[in-house]
Amino acid sequence: AQTVTQSQPEMSVQEAETVTLSCTYDTSESDYYLFWYKQPPSRQMILVIRQEAYKQQNATENRFSVNFQKAAKSFSLKISDSQLGDAAMYFCAYRSPRAGGGADGLTFGKGTHLIIQP
Amino acid sequence: KAGVTQTPRYLIKTRGQQVTLSCSPISGHRSVSWYQQTPGQGLQFLFEYFSETQRNKGNFPGRFSGRQFSNSRSEMNVSTLELGDSALYLCASSLRPENTEAFFGQGTRLTVV
Repeated sequence: AQTVTQSQPEMSVQEAETVTLSCTYDTSESDYYLFWYKQPPSRQMILVIRQEAYKQQNATENRFSVNFQKAAKSFSLKISDSQLGDAAMYFCAYRSPRAGGGADGLTFGKGTHLIIQP
Repeated sequence: KAGVTQTPRYLIKTRGQQVTLSCSPISGHRSVSWYQQTPGQGLQFLFEYFSETQRNKGNFPGRFSGRQFSNSRSEMNVSTLELGDSALYLCASSLRPENTEAFFGQGTRLTVV
C-alpha cells in the first residue's frame, strides 16, 4: 500500500512571503497522480494543484507551484506571495493510475496547518 | 453549477444506533467516493461507487456500507454505531473513476455519544 508523509504539522509565514510545504510518499508504482488539497475552516476540501508522475514539468497554478522529485519520491508545494486566505490545512494526496484509484482511493498525508501572520 | 451536496451537515447519534448520510454529486458526475476524517487517523478512504456499483472499498468493517442510485446520488450507512465512528464524513464526486479531479462536499459531522 502507498503511504504519504507530511513531516510539518504546522507552518507559519508572514503575509506576502513564500512558504514551502513538504510531502514524501512511498509507492512501487511507476505511474500515479499527486495532489495538494486545501481544507479551510469550512471543512470543504479544495484541489490546489495536481501532478501526473509521467510529466517531468512541475505543475503551476498561479501562486502555487510544486517541486516534484520522482526519484526522491518528494512532492513539495510552494506558495508565493502568501495571503490571509491561504490559511488552512493542506493535505498531500496520492492516487493510483488505476481507474478509481484502486483499493485505496486517494491516500492522504496527515496534513500541515498553515498559519499566515498579517 | 451546484457543487457536491452532503446532508445532513451535523448529526448526533447514540451508540448502537445506525445512521445514513447522503451525498448528491455535481450534475453529470457519476463517480462518488466517501472518506472518513478523524484527528487520530486522518483521512481514510471508505468506498467508491460508479454506475450504482461499488468499485473499491477501503479497510473498514462491514458495519460501513453504501449504495448509489440511478441518479448518481449516494448514501452511506453505518450500523451499530461506536464512539470511534465520530468523524467528519466527506464525499467526493468526479465524472468517471478514471478522472483524477475529485470535487469534495463540505462533509457531515457525525458525533456518537
